[in-house]
Amino acid sequence: AQTVTQSQPEMSVQEAETVTLSCTYDTSESDYYLFWYKQPPSRQMILVIRQEAYKQQNATENRFSVNFQKAAKSFSLKISDSQLGDAAMYFCAYRSRGSGNTGKLIFGQGTTLQVKP
Amino acid sequence: GAVVSQHPSRVICKSGTSVKIECRSLDFQATTMFWYRQFPKQSLMLMATSNEGSKATYEQGVEKDKFLINHASLTLSTLTVTSAHPEDSSFYICSARDFQGGSNQPQHFGDGTRLSIL
Repeated sequence: AQTVTQSQPEMSVQEAETVTLSCTYDTSESDYYLFWYKQPPSRQMILVIRQEAYKQQNATENRFSVNFQKAAKSFSLKISDSQLGDAAMYFCAYRSRGSGNTGKLIFGQGTTLQVKP
Repeated sequence: GAVVSQHPSRVICKSGTSVKIECRSLDFQATTMFWYRQFPKQSLMLMATSNEGSKATYEQGVEKDKFLINHASLTLSTLTVTSAHPEDSSFYICSARDFQGGSNQPQHFGDGTRLSIL
């Protein structure tokens, strides 16, 4: 079974600075997807960024980028130029890609990010 | 873009009441929907996978008779918490994916339901 681990329960960053959130996962599969979701106090789940395992190039979305290390099974999220609106709980998630899979997401424990003005 | 509508957003009811939560995909067909439960400051825990036209698949430890799931159409799944008790109080979130769009389609989440049992 696949597992996702986020070892940082809480992180803080100064506004305009850069912060990196860690995520590791365990799987025996070779083809899968990895995601970072943001959950602000409103508790709405917002997709931040997605990585396909067969792509070596790290995904980027504006101020958000990932460092995907497939061999190490590591998938960290870097937030550049942090803004107050980035304050939220961030979840790393895994999804199998193989045929017949249900598409369910497996979430890490979450990291609460505080942005200091 | 794709939207998932979840209702109600907040429910407060007495112990022993059964509560139904609806999850609708508004502009796509979802053969599979997912139901999660989330306690404060914790992660989302998958409760069950809802399959259109067939029985739901429950995760280990989730009581099937307690959490009834019905997925009668390609756009609607319901979760009924039967004879709810205070320990069932939690935040419940549904999600769905447009399978017709291919395997790389992301999941879309509803806004969640905060259930409080007195």
